[in-house]
Amino acid sequence: SQTIHQWPATLVQPVGSPLSLECTVEGTSNPNLYWYRQAAGRGLQLLFYSVGIGQISSEVPQNLSASRPQDRQFILSSKKLLLSDSGFYLCAWRRMGAVALFFGPGTRLTVT
Amino acid sequence: GENVEQHPSTLSVQEGDSAVIKCTYSDSASNYFPWYKQELGKRPQLIIDIRSNVGEKKDQRIAVTLNKTAKHFSLHITETQPEDSAVYFCAASRPRGAGGTSYGKLTFGQGTILTVHP
Repeated sequence: SQTIHQWPATLVQPVGSPLSLECTVEGTSNPNLYWYRQAAGRGLQLLFYSVGIGQISSEVPQNLSASRPQDRQFILSSKKLLLSDSGFYLCAWRRMGAVALFFGPGTRLTVT
Repeated sequence: GENVEQHPSTLSVQEGDSAVIKCTYSDSASNYFPWYKQELGKRPQLIIDIRSNVGEKKDQRIAVTLNKTAKHFSLHITETQPEDSAVYFCAASRPRGAGGTSYGKLTFGQGTILTVHP
């Protein structure tokens, strides 16, 4: 069966510090991968998605970036965090050719 | 792009009552409509979904109905229980477009906080 992991689970970072969140999927190949952000417990905003290694599409302009160095690995990064970057970051995956989207356990980021 | 409106934003019911959450979408090309349940501090969990070639789908106490003409779909929960309390999200997705870039990109509603009182 497929499993999706995210780490860290929680993170507190000062403004201006860098960020790296990691997501990995097990048990499938060539998944479509997504980064969503959820602020204030409501609303899911799509940040990035990837259909393959090295292929990243950005949905909203921001100071975040994403990379997919391996087939089942998706990384969200920032060089300098802003207070507004605080939120619940969810990685999601979809099997190639399927429609159902499944979320990882999330990373709760607090920027202080 | 797609826009999904969800109502109500909060819903309070007594245990055993029914709950209905409604969503409207703007893109007539959307053909996949999932519903997610998110408990406090947890990830959204897919609870039921429907494709545009059917009008209704049921799974035990939950059901989803779709009206393509009116571009709205609804989640129905019968015999509610306190453990149904959560935030519920609807979403809509277009089919695979040219190049496949629009496939699987879900547009979410803003969520409904459902509280079931014992």
